[in-house]
Amino acid sequence: AQTVTQSQPEMSVQEAETVTLSCTYDTSESDYYLFWYKQPPSRQMILVIRQEAYKQQNATENRFSVNFQKAAKSFSLKISDSQLGDAAMYFCAYRSIQGGSEKLVFGKGTKLTVNP
Amino acid sequence: GAVVSQHPSRVICKSGTSVKIECRSLDFQATTMFWYRQFPKQSLMLMATSNEGSKATYEQGVEKDKFLINHASLTLSTLTVTSAHPEDSSFYICSAGLAGGYTQYFGPGTRLTVL
Repeated sequence: AQTVTQSQPEMSVQEAETVTLSCTYDTSESDYYLFWYKQPPSRQMILVIRQEAYKQQNATENRFSVNFQKAAKSFSLKISDSQLGDAAMYFCAYRSIQGGSEKLVFGKGTKLTVNP
Repeated sequence: GAVVSQHPSRVICKSGTSVKIECRSLDFQATTMFWYRQFPKQSLMLMATSNEGSKATYEQGVEKDKFLINHASLTLSTLTVTSAHPEDSSFYICSAGLAGGYTQYFGPGTRLTVL
């Protein structure tokens, strides 16, 4: 079974600075999807960014980018020019392609605090 | 696009009663919907996968008779917590995937409090 590990329970960053959240995963599959979701205090889960494992190019969405290292099974999220609204829980998630399973496997999350 | 709604957002009920939570995909058809439970300061725990027109697939340890799931249409799935007890109090979140896609979009969640 796949597992997702987020080793940083909490992180903090100064407004306008850059922060990187770590995520590693364990799988024997060669193709899969990876996601970062954000859960602000409202508790609404919001998709931040997604990556297909077969794509070598790292995904980017405005201030959010990933460093996808397939061999190392690492999928870190970089937030540039941090804003107060970025404060939230961030969850890394894995989705298998094989076997028809659409389930997401989540990490335990990283709480990000943005200091003014 | 890809908006998922949940109703109600909050519900308080007495122990022993049943509560129904609705999950709707508003602007897309979802052949598969998912139900999660989230305890405070914890990650999401998948309870079941709901497929339109067929029986839901429950995760290990989730009581099928307690958490009834119905996926009657491509835009609606319901979770009914039967004979609710205080330990069922939690935050319940649904998600839906676009047919043919691979991303799940989440509803805003329902906070259930059982007195």
